[in-house]
Amino acid sequence: KAGVTQTPRYLIKTRGQQVTLSCSPISGHRSVSWYQQTPGQGLQFLFEYFSETQRNKGNFPGRFSGRQFSNSRSEMNVSTLELGDSALYLCASSFADIQGTEAFFGQGTRLTVV
Amino acid sequence: AQTVTQSQPEMSVQEAETVTLSCTYDTSENNYYLFWYKQPPSRQMILVIRQEAYKQQNATENRFSVNFQKAAKSFSLKISDSQLGDTAMYFCAFRGYSSASKIIFGSGTRLSIRP
Repeated sequence: KAGVTQTPRYLIKTRGQQVTLSCSPISGHRSVSWYQQTPGQGLQFLFEYFSETQRNKGNFPGRFSGRQFSNSRSEMNVSTLELGDSALYLCASSFADIQGTEAFFGQGTRLTVV
Repeated sequence: AQTVTQSQPEMSVQEAETVTLSCTYDTSENNYYLFWYKQPPSRQMILVIRQEAYKQQNATENRFSVNFQKAAKSFSLKISDSQLGDTAMYFCAFRGYSSASKIIFGSGTRLSIRP
């Protein structure tokens, strides 16, 4: 079956702009989580959506937001981009009705802010 | 708050050797899951092995095994008969029962397998 699909794979944006990243989970998975990966901070949890509701949130400013659609696809939006937002953004999907079920990751979106 | 610590930023071994990656964690939860993920240059995060905290038996997956010491909050990964394809970043990760799907990752160990 198809894996987690993230689009686009690469993005270059200018400071002050906004950006939207997309994640299509594995069919049947209702949970989508987002992570930011940078060399300095490592992998950090942004938020998780389950059945169109944000269920968990990390410690990121309000410029980072997300949503989930009825087909479980999720989008992440970052407004007023800063240079420090340059990172690999990873999306993970899981069945998530049962604790500890495996999270499957996409290949990420590499965002560069100039 | 939970933390995951990997004290080995880089490791390098010869092909076919055995290598052990270290991980310690801190949590006040009694029920949780521990994972080792592999991230090759393709950036795809791949689950290598998982361990349920309530299970005393150490998990194994082919050449990969863990040494889970719950009291010491230690969770090391052993790779036997290492192969060139094992070259990657390895992340130790924690997922508590109470935190739904939030995974907390360590800083990673860059493993290089030399031919």
